[in-house]
This record gives sequence, structure tokens and C-alpha cells, in this order.
Amino acid sequence: QKEVEQNSGPLSVPEGAIASLNCTYSDRGSQSFFWYRQYSGKSPELIMSIYSNGDKEDGRFTAQLNKASQYVSLLIRDSQPSDSATYLCAVNDYGQNFVFGPGTRLSVLP
Amino acid sequence: DTAVSQTPKYLVTQMGNDKSIKCEQNLGHDTMYWYKQDSKKFLKIMFSYNNKELIINETVPNRFSPKSPDKAHLNLHINSLELGDSAVYFCASSRTGGETQYFGPGTRLLVL
Repeated sequence: QKEVEQNSGPLSVPEGAIASLNCTYSDRGSQSFFWYRQYSGKSPELIMSIYSNGDKEDGRFTAQLNKASQYVSLLIRDSQPSDSATYLCAVNDYGQNFVFGPGTRLSVLP
Repeated sequence: DTAVSQTPKYLVTQMGNDKSIKCEQNLGHDTMYWYKQDSKKFLKIMFSYNNKELIINETVPNRFSPKSPDKAHLNLHINSLELGDSAVYFCASSRTGGETQYFGPGTRLLVL
């Protein structure tokens, strides 16, 4: 059974701080990794995708992937109250099967 | 233009009824999915279709039957609804399997 794990939170950070979200996965054959943000009552929306080891930056967001450790993280710099949401980690093996983690609830305090 | 749309947005029904949820994507994607998100917000894949062909059928009761009349549409029919079917059902699509998925707005199903 393929598993993706995340701390459920809530993770609380003050406005302007760095929020660090972590995800581990069980399937060594996983090839693509995604971070989605989900506001309460809304659908998931893509924040970042990452396919190879190392860092990938997009604005205030940086995804980090370490396949040897089976670990992927998301850093949010200069956190804003509008970043308060649940962040979902998703893992795929280049097939159609996506496995989502349980999500980490982030709260950015003004 | 809405990329992935679902109807209805809300569905309240009695146990034992049969209901359908429709999904359409106008992104030209080949792959479509159905997900169930339960009260604990856990998002779990139910089905995946590639070009109208069923690819993934996770451990889902056979009361759930997906149908893809063409690659832009993936509908979900549920027979003999049970209390435990209450959840939010999301449709999603991606260009091909393994690529970024785009989610519809969700259908909130409540079985009484």
C-alpha cells in the first residue's frame, strides 16, 4: 500500500515568517511530486510540482525533493494570512495513480 | 471559462436512492479522475480514465460506476446510496497520466 504522510498540524506561523511543510512517501518508484493548496470549502489548486532532486523556486514558494530520503518539502517565505489553508502533498509513479497525504493545516497569524 | 466543471454542486438525498454526478473538462486533457474527500479531508482516488478507457479502479464498492462517453466527460453514478457515501466528490483532469491535475469545484453529497 503506497502511503504519503504529512503532519496534520495546525502549523501556526506569524506573518512574514517562513512556513515549512514536510511530506514523506513510501513508494521508491515515485517519480513526480506535487503540492496543492486547499482553502476551506474549495477545491485543491496546484502550488508547485517537482520531478528531480534538489530545490525548485517559484516566487515565495520553494519545493525541495530528496528521493534517497523519500522526502519532499515546501517552504513558504514571507508568509501572509492569505496563505492560511490546508496543504496537500501528492505523489505519482508516472501512471495515473496519485496518492495524496492527509494535508497540513497552516495558519498564518497577523 | 471554467476548466473543469461538475454538476450538481450540492446533492442531498435519502439512503437507498440512486444519483449521478457529471463532470466536464474543456482543457483538451486525455486523463480524468474521480476523488472522494471524506470528513477528515483525506483525498482518495476512486477512478482514473485515459481517453475513455478505465485505467484505475481503486477499492470502491461496485455501487459506484463511472462512465466516460468521450474524453471530455466523466460521470459518476452511485446506486443504493449509504450514509457513508456522504463526502465531497472531486473530478479532476490532467494532460496525461502523472502530470498536474486540475480539479473541479466539487460535489457535496449528503445522504440522510
